[in-house]
Amino acid sequence: NFMLTQPHSVSESPGKTVTISCTRSSGSIASNYVQWYQQRPGSAPTTVIYEDNQRPSGVPDRFSGSIDSSSNSASLTISGLKTEDEADYYCQSYDSSWVFGGGTKLTVL
Amino acid sequence: EVQLVESGGGLVKPGGSLRLSCAASGFTFSSYSMNWVRQAPGKGLEWVSSISSSSSYIYYADSVKGRFTISRDNAKNSLYLQMNSLRAEDTAVYYCARDLGAFGFGPWGQGTLVTVSS
Repeated sequence: NFMLTQPHSVSESPGKTVTISCTRSSGSIASNYVQWYQQRPGSAPTTVIYEDNQRPSGVPDRFSGSIDSSSNSASLTISGLKTEDEADYYCQSYDSSWVFGGGTKLTVL
Repeated sequence: EVQLVESGGGLVKPGGSLRLSCAASGFTFSSYSMNWVRQAPGKGLEWVSSISSSSSYIYYADSVKGRFTISRDNAKNSLYLQMNSLRAEDTAVYYCARDLGAFGFGPWGQGTLVTVSS
């Protein structure tokens, strides 16, 4: 099976834009949809992006997703950062099995 | 509003058994595949098991295959995870999650903690 690799942590200031990457180790990133989940401290995960770039209802349009076949990676971009965006973010995809990335801790300082 | 409420977690000795439940409401339970995802303390998310809407298709992670059994009762709007031969490495918060489509997960329950320790 494949792996999804994320940076361990990223940090940025309020109001700025941050991008979190998720690189697929084998097979094409475009072959299966990528989802992104937000997990605030002490809380259950919530879905912020599904099918590469779709937002569930209630997720602000500051959150966007994309894939890049040239780097075989997916990205989650959060613009206009707020302190409430501070959380762990996980990418996830599927290929014969469901696979999560290791998670990225976003610090908004 | 979709609600998923897990229960059944607790402290169990290595080699013991536990049955988790997930009560669903706010949607047509029988129309959706359902999933279990776990998170060990301080670690990331790990997919555990999935079951199709009519229980025709069932999948397990290699780490739990042969020890865990997923099931559902559509009449009771409930999902279950029977966990046998528990190991210390099964210690985690177990989340119930609805199928999102495109092999994704969402919404999620609040989770139930399973601790395997002597």
